[in-house]
Amino acid sequence: AQSVTQLGSHVSVSEGALVLLRCNYSSSVPPYLFWYVQYPNQGLQLLLKYTTGATLVKGINGFEAEFKKSETSFHLTKPSAHMSDAAEYFCAVSDLRTNAGKSTFGDGTTLTVKP
Amino acid sequence: DVKVTQSSRYLVKRTGEKVFLECVQDMDHENMFWYRQDPGLGLRLIYFSYDVKMKEKGDIPEGYSVSREKKERFSLILESASTNQTSMYLCASSGTGRGQPQHFGDGTRLSIL
Repeated sequence: AQSVTQLGSHVSVSEGALVLLRCNYSSSVPPYLFWYVQYPNQGLQLLLKYTTGATLVKGINGFEAEFKKSETSFHLTKPSAHMSDAAEYFCAVSDLRTNAGKSTFGDGTTLTVKP
Repeated sequence: DVKVTQSSRYLVKRTGEKVFLECVQDMDHENMFWYRQDPGLGLRLIYFSYDVKMKEKGDIPEGYSVSREKKERFSLILESASTNQTSMYLCASSGTGRGQPQHFGDGTRLSIL
């Protein structure tokens, strides 16, 4: 079975500081990996995804993530946090064996950005 | 852009009532999902459907059923609502094929009194 662990349910950074949200996955076959963002009172929206190819993936709003197979990680980063980045972030994994659209989600990390 | 529309943003019902949550997507997606979201528990899959009239149980199907009579519509039914079903409910859809992400509605915040 596949699983996702997001380290740290709450992360707080100052505006302009580096954002690092951690995600580790477990999957016995090559995974597809996703990061989603959820703003208050909204559904989730896709930030970026990794399927195959380049391991450094760029997404919307200046976010990027790097797939590291040896570490089974897919951490999300942004060089400089903005106040508008305050939200909840979810890492998700799916693989070839499952129905193509079904994913397993992490428990989420709430990002707070201090002025 | 993909649009997933949930019929209600906020809903208040009483225990024992039969509750219907409706979800419609406009991208001809084969797959549709219902999740509930509770603080500290992330997203938990209730049911999903990979085709019309086809459904599979997710991780927490007890107390729920679903209906998919048309490709674009996926309904979640609480057969006899209970207070522990007070939650945020999220609907999502996705296409088939490798690495397809899910597209979410804005959620229905359901309170059972």
